[in-house]
Amino acid sequence: QVQLVESGGGVVQPGRSLRLSCAASGFTFSIYGMQWARQAPGKGLEWVAFISHDGSTKYYTDSVKGRFTISRDDSKNTLYLQMNSLRTEDTAVYFCARDFCSTTSCYDYWGQGTLVTVSS
Amino acid sequence: QSVLTQPPSVSAAPGQKVTISCSGSSSNIGNNYVSWYQQLPGTAPKLLIYDNDKRPSGIPDRFSGSKSGTSATLGITGLQTGDEADYYCGTWDSSLSVWVFGGGTKLTVL
Repeated sequence: QVQLVESGGGVVQPGRSLRLSCAASGFTFSIYGMQWARQAPGKGLEWVAFISHDGSTKYYTDSVKGRFTISRDDSKNTLYLQMNSLRTEDTAVYFCARDFCSTTSCYDYWGQGTLVTVSS
Repeated sequence: QSVLTQPPSVSAAPGQKVTISCSGSSSNIGNNYVSWYQQLPGTAPKLLIYDNDKRPSGIPDRFSGSKSGTSATLGITGLQTGDEADYYCGTWDSSLSVWVFGGGTKLTVL
């Protein structure tokens, strides 16, 4: 069965870095685009970044451009989000998800999320 | 403030029908497919509808989707207490080159 398991969250001071991982299993990871989304406490979903199946195309929401980097290692079936220069407003649960659609992206499997708290 | 506008909340009685709207523009809904997600409290989102009106396997036909111009609608019939959740629309915005979620709609089944 398809599984996505995020890890790497925790408490970090403003300005520091953190790397999130998303371990995929139960499907051929290398043929799917993937995304990261986040949800601040009590708030709605916010898309963060997307990477194509072959890693050649990446998109980011404006608020993380230049600070976050999405990447993938198909040999390890793992998606990453490198987060630098963290801000208090980056505090959220971060979800990874698989892009299911061949038309406009849509996300059919999601991980359980990992909490990132940016606080001094 | 999301580029996709949803009502903050809707409510209806068990067994009734409810619709949730998602309003956008030509750069997003108008020229891209829409998907809908259900998020039960404390859980990850779940895909309900993709490509405007398609249901993934395992999603009951009580859930339906439609799109007209720059707006999309999620319909839920035969409401159950277990449907109480937050619902989000989402699509690609071709002008901004970003994926966008609506602000979310909280469904209460009275």
